Amino acid sequence: AQSVTQLGSHVSVSEGALVLLRCNYSSSVPPYLFWYVQYPNQGLQLLLKYTSAATLVKGINGFEAEFKKSETSFHLTKPSAHMSDAAEYFCAVSIVAGAQKLVFGQGTRLTINP
Amino acid sequence: GAVVSQHPSRVICKSGTSVKIECRSLDFQATTMFWYRQFPKQSLMLMATSNEGSKATYEQGVEKDKFLINHASLTLSTLTVTSAHPEDSSFYICSAILWGEQETQYFGPGTRLLVL
Repeated sequence: AQSVTQLGSHVSVSEGALVLLRCNYSSSVPPYLFWYVQYPNQGLQLLLKYTSAATLVKGINGFEAEFKKSETSFHLTKPSAHMSDAAEYFCAVSIVAGAQKLVFGQGTRLTINP
Repeated sequence: GAVVSQHPSRVICKSGTSVKIECRSLDFQATTMFWYRQFPKQSLMLMATSNEGSKATYEQGVEKDKFLINHASLTLSTLTVTSAHPEDSSFYICSAILWGEQETQYFGPGTRLLVL
């Protein structure tokens, strides 16, 4: 079975500072990994995904994530935070050639301080 | 591309009534759609997997007679909450898979249901 742990339910950074949202996964088979962002009262928007190609994945809005198999991690980063980045971020895992079911982490709320 | 819509975006109903929520893939065909439920400040919980032309597959603990799912076409899946009660109040979100991009789910904007 797959699982995802997001370390830190709430992260607060200053505008212009580095954003680091942590995600560790557990999977007995090669995983697909995703980061989604959710703004208040909205659905989820795909930020980026890892599907066994390049381990460093670049997404929208300047975000990127690195798949590290040895650490079972897929942390999300952005060099310089903008006020518009304030939202809830979800890490999710599914398995290769599986039933496409996504297992989500608990989410991390990102707050940007002016 | 890969836009998913939901209707309505918000609905308020009386206890005991039924509510239908529509999920549409606007610019692609989706053989598989998913329905999730999200409580305030919590993550998404998968309720069921909806496949076009066949019965939905429900997750453990989800009452299939209460949450009726119909996937009659390649662009439309519906979730009907039957005999709704206040505890059914939640944010319901659907997602769809784009053919040729089987690993990625594209999400709708969600429907907030309030049962009085």
